[in-house]
Amino acid sequence: DADVTQTPRNRITKTGKRIMLECSQTKGHDRMYWYRQDPGLGLRLIYYSFDVKDINKGEISDGYSVSRQAQAKFSLSLESAIPNQTALYFCATSLGQANTGELFFGEGSRLTVL
Amino acid sequence: AQSVTQLDSQVPVFEEAPVELRCNYSSSVSVYLFWYVQYPNQGLQLLLKYLSGSTLVKGINGFEAEFNKSQTSFHLRKPSVHISDTAEYFCAVKKTGFQKLVFGTGTRLLVSP
Repeated sequence: DADVTQTPRNRITKTGKRIMLECSQTKGHDRMYWYRQDPGLGLRLIYYSFDVKDINKGEISDGYSVSRQAQAKFSLSLESAIPNQTALYFCATSLGQANTGELFFGEGSRLTVL
Repeated sequence: AQSVTQLDSQVPVFEEAPVELRCNYSSSVSVYLFWYVQYPNQGLQLLLKYLSGSTLVKGINGFEAEFNKSQTSFHLRKPSVHISDTAEYFCAVKKTGFQKLVFGTGTRLLVSP
């Protein structure tokens, strides 16, 4: 089983719908992240969390919100989806105190907004 | 702000040929450097990393990279590629003492027979 699990893996929705992408991890890491991947743009950070009570905006947080329900769970919500949020979304984790920056990624959630 | 530049969006190469994927970063302070690989329909996985010490870093699958501080580069190399190396490769940088990793835009390596 994967250490970082994302659900759903694929989702097609319509403009204006609320969407939640979920991430759970069994690595025991404190830090969790949500990234968005677009062709030619690489990965851009949406939100990150260093523990259950710590949530931080990344470089492209507008239109997104997150919830850290437990150390192992970090969900990303699109309150009202729009077509330019069509992308591949990745959850990632990393160590806390000994963090050198190495990230461990899930397999991605492909979202299409029509 | 730190940034990462991957000059080549796509690199086509024949099987068993050598390859170099270029990465340059901008930072005036100490950094950690990483290469990640993304195979089709998969997440990213770490290929290799430079934290300190020897400037030549060896990674998985026969890849290596050399940290060049004066040129602010961290190019990835493999002496002989396989079809299975076809993937997208991302360079990333993190300032020491800072929390976030910054990714380049990726280089797609296409290996043909």
